Amino acid sequence: LAKTTQPISMDSYEGQEVNITCSHNNIATNDYITWYQQFPSQGPRFIIQGYKTKVTNEVASLFIPADRKSSTLSLPRVSLSDTAVYYCLVGGGRGGYQKVTFGTGTKLQVIP
Amino acid sequence: EAGVAQSPRYKIIEKRQSVAFWCNPISGHATLYWYQQILGQGPKLLIQFQNNGVVDDSQLPKDRFSAERLKGVDSTLKIQPAKLEDSAVYLCASSHPGLAGDGVRSSYNEQFFGPGTRLTVL
Repeated sequence: LAKTTQPISMDSYEGQEVNITCSHNNIATNDYITWYQQFPSQGPRFIIQGYKTKVTNEVASLFIPADRKSSTLSLPRVSLSDTAVYYCLVGGGRGGYQKVTFGTGTKLQVIP
Repeated sequence: EAGVAQSPRYKIIEKRQSVAFWCNPISGHATLYWYQQILGQGPKLLIQFQNNGVVDDSQLPKDRFSAERLKGVDSTLKIQPAKLEDSAVYLCASSHPGLAGDGVRSSYNEQFFGPGTRLTVL
């Protein structure tokens, strides 16, 4: 089971771009990289998922280098409502039983 | 589409008492998860069901925790007897193994979480 390492916390001012990097050195061939967002008093919710290269949606972009040993979640022009904990998960490939593990996450604080 | 339902939302009990949590997953989702989230930590998987069978309960404290998913739909998580360290939020999630997400707006095995039950053990 691939272990992930990400910063415990980050601060950013409103309007800035935020990049959160996750290390996953022992990622397996079938593993996907998924990011979840959790607001206080709520369950986590899916943000974005990728296997390699770049994925973009209306909320975020996910950059994955060729060796796939790390990934970077990019949040463009953050607002106060982006203050949350962001989790990087590795695993959960298609088909069959795939275990994923939530780490401690990165607590992002957006400052006015 | 209705989301994952959980009840109760809050529960306060004294140590050594029993408590039960209920979860109703999204219709059609074969996989159901129970997580324990202690304040300041990430969710910790307690048990994962595929339909009504258990596929992972390696982190479930089986001396006091039990869970069942009769008929492969609703699930109940029980703690008996509760300890002070069981104070946490208990999250239920469901997913569909065959969900063919493209990663942009949905994902393979994307988990949909309920609002959680906040348990306080005094």
